[in-house]
Amino acid sequence: KQEVTQIPAALSVPEGENLVLNCSFTDSAIYNLQWFRQDPGKGLTSLLLIQSSQREQTSGRLNASLDKSSGRSTLYIAASQPGDSATYLCAGSLTETSGSRLTFGEGTQLTVNP
Amino acid sequence: NAGVMQNPRHLVRRRGQEARLRCSPMKGHSHVYWYRQLPEEGLKFMVYLQKENIIDESGMPKERFSAEFPKEGPSILRIQQVVRGDSAAYFCASSVGDEQYFGPGTRLTVT
Repeated sequence: KQEVTQIPAALSVPEGENLVLNCSFTDSAIYNLQWFRQDPGKGLTSLLLIQSSQREQTSGRLNASLDKSSGRSTLYIAASQPGDSATYLCAGSLTETSGSRLTFGEGTQLTVNP
Repeated sequence: NAGVMQNPRHLVRRRGQEARLRCSPMKGHSHVYWYRQLPEEGLKFMVYLQKENIIDESGMPKERFSAEFPKEGPSILRIQQVVRGDSAAYFCASSVGDEQYFGPGTRLTVT
């Protein structure tokens, strides 16, 4: 059974810091990996998708990487801003067919202080 | 292109009543997923559907829960005879390829 661990569970940083969020899977046979953010009481916003043939993706100040051999992913946020405060979730799928359920970690709650 | 729509956003039911949650996928998306987020827990997969077919229901409780995605209209998650433990946020996602897009969720409260 696939389990996903996210470290740290919570993180508080001053504005402007660069930070790294970590995600690891018990089963390293990950096909796709997605990073999401969730604001309190809201749905999930997809941030980055790393597909099977890729090792990293970048969008603006965000960079996500995936090491399939170890089953680990990191989300790097550069020059953090108060608007980045949210819960960040990583989720992986295992199958090679399009349309596969995601297994989620419990998230890292990020607070960026002005 | 409107995002994934879910309604209602908030639903209150008394124990023993039925709850119906609706999800309209993004235009052109043929895959629908339902996930549940219990208080203080992570999101858990429930069911994956395509039009008129249940593809994977391995995360669905064996009793009282059912899901459908008819040829026309939204996907429906139905919970019969709700109990307090069903109180949670229920999220729907849709996809056409590898990336899943989530709706705002329905927050079910059972009193």
